Amino acid sequence: AQTVTQSQPEMSVQEAETVTLSCTYDTSESDYYLFWYKQPPSRQMILVIRQEAYKQQNATENRFSVNFQKAAKSFSLKISDSQLGDAAMYFCAYRFQGAQKLVFGQGTRLTINP
Amino acid sequence: DVKVTQSSRYLVKRTGEKVFLECVQDMDHENMFWYRQDPGLGLRLIYFSYDVKMKEKGDIPEGYSVSREKKERFSLILESASTNQTSMYLCASSILGTGDRETQYFGPGTRLLVL
Repeated sequence: AQTVTQSQPEMSVQEAETVTLSCTYDTSESDYYLFWYKQPPSRQMILVIRQEAYKQQNATENRFSVNFQKAAKSFSLKISDSQLGDAAMYFCAYRFQGAQKLVFGQGTRLTINP
Repeated sequence: DVKVTQSSRYLVKRTGEKVFLECVQDMDHENMFWYRQDPGLGLRLIYFSYDVKMKEKGDIPEGYSVSREKKERFSLILESASTNQTSMYLCASSILGTGDRETQYFGPGTRLLVL
């Protein structure tokens, strides 16, 4: 069975600095997708960034980028120039090619200190 | 924009009550999902549906059932609520497919307290 592990329950960073959230996963599949979702306090969960396993290039979305290490089964999220609005729960998720459902990690609560 | 709505943001029920949680999406998505979110456990899939009247068990279906009579609506039913079902319930929807464009869109969540 596929599993996703986020080993950092909580992280904090000073505003304008860079923070990296860790995620590891376990799968025997070769074709799959990885996601980072953001859940702000009392607001809906939204997709931050997506990575296809067959792509070697790391995905980027503005201040958000990933470090995808397929052999190590690692998928970390880097947030540059942190802003107060980045404060949220962040969930790493996995879906293998051919499946409809996502497998989520435990989540990391990110606090931004002004 | 995709909109996924849930019937209640907060709900308080008593042990043994039958509880209905409703989810509606407006993007004609085939897939709909019910998750449960608990601290330290992340999101766990309860049930999902890929078409009207079709359903598949997720990882934790015990104590729950679902109904999908119309494409836009997916209901989660707690037949006899218990205190260990106190949790945040999230609904999501997505288009049917297995490629790289099938993003799940989430509702705001229902925080259920069972006394």
